Amino acid sequence: GENVEQHPSTLSVQEGDSAVIKCTYSDSASNYFPWYKQELGKRPQLIIDIRSNVGEKKDQRIAVTLNKTAKHFSLHITETQPEDSAVYFCAAMDSSYKLIFGSGTRLLVRP
Amino acid sequence: DSGVTQTPKHLITATGQRVTLRCSPRSGDLSVYWYQQSLDQGLQFLIQYYNGEERAKGNILERFSAQQFPDLHSELNLSSLELGDSALYFCASSVATGGSSPLHFGNGTRLTVT
Repeated sequence: GENVEQHPSTLSVQEGDSAVIKCTYSDSASNYFPWYKQELGKRPQLIIDIRSNVGEKKDQRIAVTLNKTAKHFSLHITETQPEDSAVYFCAAMDSSYKLIFGSGTRLLVRP
Repeated sequence: DSGVTQTPKHLITATGQRVTLRCSPRSGDLSVYWYQQSLDQGLQFLIQYYNGEERAKGNILERFSAQQFPDLHSELNLSSLELGDSALYFCASSVATGGSSPLHFGNGTRLTVT
């Protein structure tokens, strides 16, 4: 089955700097890669997603890149703000319709 | 508000007991997913239903079972509870199965087993 690895597990950046979180997946048939943000004690919320026929997608300060050959995808947050502090999860949907999540990255944006 | 409703919000029970968690998907969504999140851990996939039928299964324990009813709501049954079952249980729904639509999560049910 699909296995998703995510790193780093924690990331601390200064406000205004960029943050990058990276994930790798194992199932070459996986075709959908969302990113979720989870604040303490709350539900995961979708922030951006990308499908396997696209290499990059942007939404304001957030961008995701996908390299199908290498089986990895990344989340880029520019001009970080304190409210970006949260746990971020990557995920991959495999050929059997399971959405498998990475272990999460705790992002801290220092004011 | 995601439109996915989970009840109850909190559940405290003793070891050996059985509980039922309920999920109502967003209007129009046919797929329901269940995830378990232990303290400071990731989201572990349990099971997925699509239009009443089981579609995918994760590492769900035999003590756990689920179903999706004709009105599309879903229930997750946890029996012979152990201390290690204490966790946040999330339900998510999507319009379809596969990669054509994103998952939207409910607010979760926090289960505490004492």
